Amino acid sequence: EAQVTQNPRYLITVTGKKLTVTCSQNMNHEYMSWYRQDPGLGLRQIYYSMNVEVTDKGDVPEGYKVSRKEKRNFPLILESPSPNQTSLYFCASRGGGSPLHFGNGTRLTVT
Amino acid sequence: TQLLEQSPQFLSIQEGENLTVYCNSSSVFSSLQWYRQEPGEGPVLLVTVVTGGEVKKLKRLTFQFGDARKDSSLHITAAQPGDTGLYLCADITTGANNLFFGTGTRLTVIP
Repeated sequence: EAQVTQNPRYLITVTGKKLTVTCSQNMNHEYMSWYRQDPGLGLRQIYYSMNVEVTDKGDVPEGYKVSRKEKRNFPLILESPSPNQTSLYFCASRGGGSPLHFGNGTRLTVT
Repeated sequence: TQLLEQSPQFLSIQEGENLTVYCNSSSVFSSLQWYRQEPGEGPVLLVTVVTGGEVKKLKRLTFQFGDARKDSSLHITAAQPGDTGLYLCADITTGANNLFFGTGTRLTVIP
């Protein structure tokens, strides 16, 4: 089954404790992206990647890092999380004219 | 900066009623997509409209793109509880490296 898999689904952490949210897709898509979704603000892009070793900032990249060492994986890294990064995060991928496929989300709470 | 406004923000109706939700932009859309997001899941693409004046139908859903490509509407006929969800419109920016999302309309259909 074609899918985008994010882990974990839920995460509660404390300010300053580094964390990684993983994202993997099995569709051989070249394009991958991270979004955060906040009430009243909609979905905003954090980072995207056009291919392996090619990443670029989206609209709200501050406080986040990404890497794309393999085509299927696109982890989101928060080196020093802060409470304003409490949000619902979505990974998405697209390739070959297909629509954007989203994962099921990771709900992060930073206390 | 483009502004995508969706209205209404919340809508609660009885099963069997008709409804229309709207998406308006401060600038001309490149292409417009409509998504539905159900609780605990990522957004799923419903339709893409490209040409001004275009109308597309998906079973009981009718999507209309304004002639000037600055607005769009989604009409649902005889709403069912399964239509409950967050409806998002999105503009595909030039180069398609990002989808710029509206804030969404949260629809609840009461049985």
